[in-house]
Formats: sequence, structure tokens, C-alpha cells
Amino acid sequence: AQSVTQLGSHVSVSEGALVLLRCNYSSSVPPYLFWYVQYPNQGLQLLLKYTTGATLVKGINGFEAEFKKSETSFHLTKPSAHMSDAAEYFCAVSQGNTGNQFYFGTGTSLTVIP
Amino acid sequence: KAGVTQTPRYLIKTRGQQVTLSCSPISGHRSVSWYQQTPGQGLQFLFEYFSETQRNKGNFPGRFSGRQFSNSRSEMNVSTLELGDSALYLCASSRSGTAPNEKLFFGSGTQLSVL
Repeated sequence: AQSVTQLGSHVSVSEGALVLLRCNYSSSVPPYLFWYVQYPNQGLQLLLKYTTGATLVKGINGFEAEFKKSETSFHLTKPSAHMSDAAEYFCAVSQGNTGNQFYFGTGTSLTVIP
Repeated sequence: KAGVTQTPRYLIKTRGQQVTLSCSPISGHRSVSWYQQTPGQGLQFLFEYFSETQRNKGNFPGRFSGRQFSNSRSEMNVSTLELGDSALYLCASSRSGTAPNEKLFFGSGTQLSVL
């Protein structure tokens, strides 16, 4: 069975500070990993994804994530937070042989303090 | 290109009633998935439809059901509503649903409140 754990349901950072949102996964097979963002009153949109190849993945809006197999982690970072980054962030994993079935974490709410 | 459209945006029902939610995927997308989102629980997978067939199902009771039409539009039905069914129901579509790394496109959801 697959699962995703997001450490910290709420994270606050100052504008311009580093953003670090943590995600650990559990999977018996090589996983496909994703980060989605949800702005208020909207659906989720894809930030970035890891499938194979380079372990450092760059996404939209200056976000990036690094796949670390030894640590079973896929943490999301951004060097400098912007007010517009305030949102809910979800880490997700899918497995190759289950079609379109994704397992999402419980989410991390990011607050950016001016 | 229009995005994923979910209707209605808000619903208020009472316990014991049933409800039907609708989802129109992006044109050309054939896979439609449904998720339940509640505070503290994140998103939980309900089911996925592809070419009018349910291909995957999550761990929800039989009161939750769905279907997909030939134009890929999908409906989700919840019968005998319980207070715990109050949640944001999200629909997501993807092009083929055959690649596990395929991007999901989400609608804005239907907020269901059960009183």
C-alpha cells in the first residue's frame, strides 16, 4: 500500500524567507511523486512531478523538489517566499499499475507574513 | 479551452437524503476521478472512470456511486446522506488515465453540507 505523510499541517514564513514543506512517502515500488497547490475556493493545480531521471525537479512559480530515495522524501522548497504563495499544498503519490489513482497527504497550509 | 466544470458549487442537504454531483471534464479527456476533501483528512480517492467503466475504487461505502457517460461527463451520487459526508467533492480529469504520471486537472469542487 502507498501513503504520503506531510509533516506540519501549518507552516508560516516571512516574505522573502525560505519555504520548506516536508513530504515522506511509503511505497513498495518506485513511486511517481507530485506536489499540488490549492488556492482558496479553487481546485488543485500541479506544481511539479517526479517520474524518473533527475532527482531535482523544478516546477512553476519558482518551486522545486528533490526526490531522495534513501530518505523516502520529496520535500518542496522555494528560496524566497512571496505573499502570493499563501495556499494549501498537497503531496501525492501514484503507483504505476493502478491507473489514475493518487494518494494525497493531508496538506500543509502555508502562511506568508509580510 | 474550458477547464473542469463541477456543478453545483454549493449544496445543502439533510440527513437521509440523496445527492447527485456533476462533472464535465476538459474536452478530449477520457479519465475522470472523484475525491473527497475534508479538513485534516486531505483528499481521499473515491473512484475513477474511463470510457464509461469504473476502473479504480477507493475505500468508501456503497452509498457512494458514480457513472460516466459517453461524452466523458461524470456524475457522483451519495445516497442516505450522513453528517460525516459533509465535504468538498473534487473532480479531476486527465487525458488518457493510462500513464501513472499523468497530470490531473481539477475542478473547483462542490461543497456539500449535510444538516
